Amino acid sequence: QVQLVESGGGLVKPGGSLRLSCAASGFTFSDYYMSWIRQAPGKGLEWVSYISTASTFTNYADSVKGRFTISRDNAKNSLYLQMNSLRAEDTAVYYCASMIKGWGQGTLVTVSS
Amino acid sequence: EIVLTQSPGTLSLSPGERATLSCRASQSVTSNQLAWYQQKPGQAPRLLIYGASRRATDIPDVFSGSGSGTDFTLTISRLEPEDFAVYYCQQYGSSPWTFGQGTKVEVK
Repeated sequence: QVQLVESGGGLVKPGGSLRLSCAASGFTFSDYYMSWIRQAPGKGLEWVSYISTASTFTNYADSVKGRFTISRDNAKNSLYLQMNSLRAEDTAVYYCASMIKGWGQGTLVTVSS
Repeated sequence: EIVLTQSPGTLSLSPGERATLSCRASQSVTSNQLAWYQQKPGQAPRLLIYGASRRATDIPDVFSGSGSGTDFTLTISRLEPEDFAVYYCQQYGSSPWTFGQGTKVEVK
C-alpha cells in the first residue's frame, strides 16, 4: 500500500536550518507531483511547496519563498525540503503529500531559542 | 489567491444521518482540482476525494464528492461513529494551493 514516511524534524534555533526527507513506497513515485504541507499547533493546513514529476517546476508559498527549497530524487523515491533561516512561525508539523495518493504522518519542526 | 470558504463551521448530527458539507471558492477551481480530507485529533489528514469526485484508494463509497467551478460538496451518506472529525477542502489547480478553514462534524 501507499506509504509516505517523513523524517528530519526536530528542535532548531531561529535562523537555523533543517532538511526534511520523505520516503515513498507503494506507488510509482516518479509519476506524481509531490508537495509539502504544514500545520501549526492548533491551526489549519497551509500549503508550503510543490514539485513536478521531473523537478521541472517548483512553487512556494510566499511565507517560505527564498528560504525553503523543495527537491526530489526519483531514483530513491524520495522528496526533500531544505529549510533555511527558520523562524518561530515555521513551527509546525510538516507533511509530505501527493494530492492523489495521500499524505504521510508528518514530522514536527519546532523553532525556538 | 483562491479563497475557499467551508460551511457550516460545525455540523451536529447523529450516527446514521447524512452529512452535507460545502466548499465555495472565490473563483473557479482549475480543472476541478479540489480535494477533501478528514482529520481526527492527533492524526494526519486522510485523503478522501481528489479531482472533486474521485474517491482515493480504500475510501468507502459512503463518501462522495460533487461539484464544479466554484461550488463543491462532500456528502457522507450515513455517518458512522468513526466519521466524526474535521473535514477540509483544498484546491490544487492554481498557485498558491489553498485550504478551507474546516468543518467539524460532531455528535449531536
